[in-house]
Amino acid sequence: GAVVSQHPSWVICKSGTSVKIECRSLDFQATTMFWYRQFPKQSLMLMATSNEGSKATYEQGVEKDKFLINHASLTLSTLTVTSAHPEDSSFYICSARGSGSNTEAFFGQGTRLTVV
Amino acid sequence: SQELEQSPQSLIVQEGKNLTINCTSSKTLYGLYWYKQKYGEGLIFLMMLQKGGEEKSHEKITAKLDEKKQQSSLHITASQPSHAGIYLCGVRSHNQGGKLIFGQGTELSVKP
Repeated sequence: GAVVSQHPSWVICKSGTSVKIECRSLDFQATTMFWYRQFPKQSLMLMATSNEGSKATYEQGVEKDKFLINHASLTLSTLTVTSAHPEDSSFYICSARGSGSNTEAFFGQGTRLTVV
Repeated sequence: SQELEQSPQSLIVQEGKNLTINCTSSKTLYGLYWYKQKYGEGLIFLMMLQKGGEEKSHEKITAKLDEKKQQSSLHITASQPSHAGIYLCGVRSHNQGGKLIFGQGTELSVKP
């Protein structure tokens, strides 16, 4: 299957700082990318959907100024957690899919964020 | 909005035993995805089912889609420790770029 690379796989940052997570589609053009958050022992919660070259669509309850998403190219999307707080500590996973109505969505390996 | 409910939420089986995980949708299913996740890792795509009555198999894992029941089942035959993990079913929304919505997951443990 297609490869989606997420970087970093884990990061520890201080409260108040910002952290950027990258999601790259390595062998296909990702028309759409999705960002999820996962708490321990829980399922994936969709945060936002981004299409290349346009503003991301955020799910209800997700602060767009807190979680900045940029999808500047067909192979790269970034999630920036701004002014991070300990409650932002979580596992973040990106997903990417190409064009077409029945294409699969491939997932990155996830990023474990710990805010201290 | 469409919701998915998985059952059971967790499952412990003896190695070699068969097991079934169910995924029930609150709305009509037009297609369903099954993924596997090791805790703290990304999702591994297992299968995508698109038509009612469709059945797909990959190694010892078989998934079926029952449109009338708005349900899909994932069956593992002769389970092995390598099957352990979290199994997630997902459906694609027909708007907003086809976002995937997931069930709460089923945590499978296989005792050697």
